[in-house]
Amino acid sequence: QMQLQESGPGLVKPSGTLSLTCAVSNGSITPNYYWGWVRQPPGKGLEWIASVYSTGSAYFKSSLRSRVTISVDTSRNQFSLQLTSVTASDTAVYYCARLKLRPNDAFDIWGQGAMVTVSS
Amino acid sequence: QSVLTQPPSASGTPGQTISISCSGSSANIGSNPVNWYQQLPGTAPKLLIYGSDRRPSGVPGRFSGSKSGASASLAISGLRSEDEAEYYCAAWDGTLSAHVFGSGTKVTVL
Repeated sequence: QMQLQESGPGLVKPSGTLSLTCAVSNGSITPNYYWGWVRQPPGKGLEWIASVYSTGSAYFKSSLRSRVTISVDTSRNQFSLQLTSVTASDTAVYYCARLKLRPNDAFDIWGQGAMVTVSS
Repeated sequence: QSVLTQPPSASGTPGQTISISCSGSSANIGSNPVNWYQQLPGTAPKLLIYGSDRRPSGVPGRFSGSKSGASASLAISGLRSEDEAEYYCAAWDGTLSAHVFGSGTKVTVL
C-alpha cells in the first residue's frame, strides 16, 4: 500500500517561510494522479491549499496563491510545499495527500500529518 | 466559514442508524461528486465515500452516501463505538476553482 510521509520544521518564525516535503513510498508519483496539501488548524476543519501534477502543473486556493509554491520531484518521488510570510494563523497540521482528480476529485491516500507552529 | 454546511454534531446508540447532512450549492455539490472523509481522534482523514455513493475497498457496508440536488448525506447503520469520529464532506467548487470541505460533524456513540 502506498504511503505518504510529511517532513519539515515544526516551528517557523512569523514572516518566515514554511517548507514541507512529502515522500511517497511503496509506489511512484505517476501521471494518473495529482498530489496535494491540506491543512487543519488546531480544533478546526480541513482546508485545501494546492495540488500539483507529475509534470509540475499546479493549481492553488486563490486566497493563498500569492504565498504558495508547490513542486514535484519525480526522480526523488516526493513533492513539496512552501508558504511564505507566515503568521500565527498558518499554525496547523499540514497533510499531504494523493488526489484522483476526475471524475471524483477525491483525496484517497493521506500522510500522517506534520504539525507546524508559527511563533517567535 | 465553510462553503459546505454540516451539522456540528450527531449522536446515536450502538446499533442505531444516523445520518449526516451536507448542504452546498449548484457550484459544488449540485454539479460535482461528493466525497466523505472520516477523521478518528488524533489521526489523518481517511476517504470513506467517493463519487457520492461509492465505498473504497475496505470500508464497511455500514457506511453509505447519497446526493440529491445541492445536498448530500452520509448514513451510518449499525452504529459502533469505533465510529466515533469527525466526518467531513467535500467537493470541487467550479466557481471558486477549489476543493472545498464541510465544517465537519462530530459523531458520538452514546
